[in-house]
Amino acid sequence: AQSVTQLGSHVSVSEGALVLLRCNYSSSVPPYLFWYVQYPNQGLQLLLKYTSAATLVKGINGFEAEFKKSETSFHLTKPSAHMSDAAEYFCAVSNNDMRFGAGTRLTVKP
Amino acid sequence: NAGVTQTPKFRVLKTGQSMTLLCAQDMNHEYMYWYRQDPGMGLRLIHYSVGEGTTAKGEVPDGYNVSRLKKQNFLLGLESAAPSQTSVYFCASSYSSDAWVGTNTEAFFGQGTRLTVV
Repeated sequence: AQSVTQLGSHVSVSEGALVLLRCNYSSSVPPYLFWYVQYPNQGLQLLLKYTSAATLVKGINGFEAEFKKSETSFHLTKPSAHMSDAAEYFCAVSNNDMRFGAGTRLTVKP
Repeated sequence: NAGVTQTPKFRVLKTGQSMTLLCAQDMNHEYMYWYRQDPGMGLRLIHYSVGEGTTAKGEVPDGYNVSRLKKQNFLLGLESAAPSQTSVYFCASSYSSDAWVGTNTEAFFGQGTRLTVV
């Protein structure tokens, strides 16, 4: 069965610092991978997706993620954090259904 | 374009009561999903449907039933609510999550239903 593991339930960075949110996946077939963001009291919004076209995927709000098959990873990065990036981030893998990680809450300090 | 709409947005139930959550999508999506979100556990898949008239169990199906009589609607039922079912429920839809088909496989989410069982 497919699954994702997000390392770190809570990440705190200073404004302007690098954001790195980690995700490792397990899948028996080439996966579709996604990062979603959830702001308080809202549903999930798609940040970016990997569908095998390119290993480096650029998303909205300056985020990007790199698919590394050898490491079974799909880590999310942003060069410079902004206060508005504070939210919860979910990694997901899709094959026959879509499975989510436990989430990482990002805090941005002024 | 409404996207994915969930009703109701909030509900309080007494233990043993039943209720149905409705999810409607206007994007002609084939796949629909019901998730529950609990602190520290992310989103867990309850049931999903790959097309009208079909349903399948997800990770945590016990205590829930679903129906997909129309392509645009996916209903989640609780026959006898328990306090353990207190959660935020999200519905989502996608064109197809089959890795062989298409590229529009991302899921679109509703705004959630906050359910409390007392």
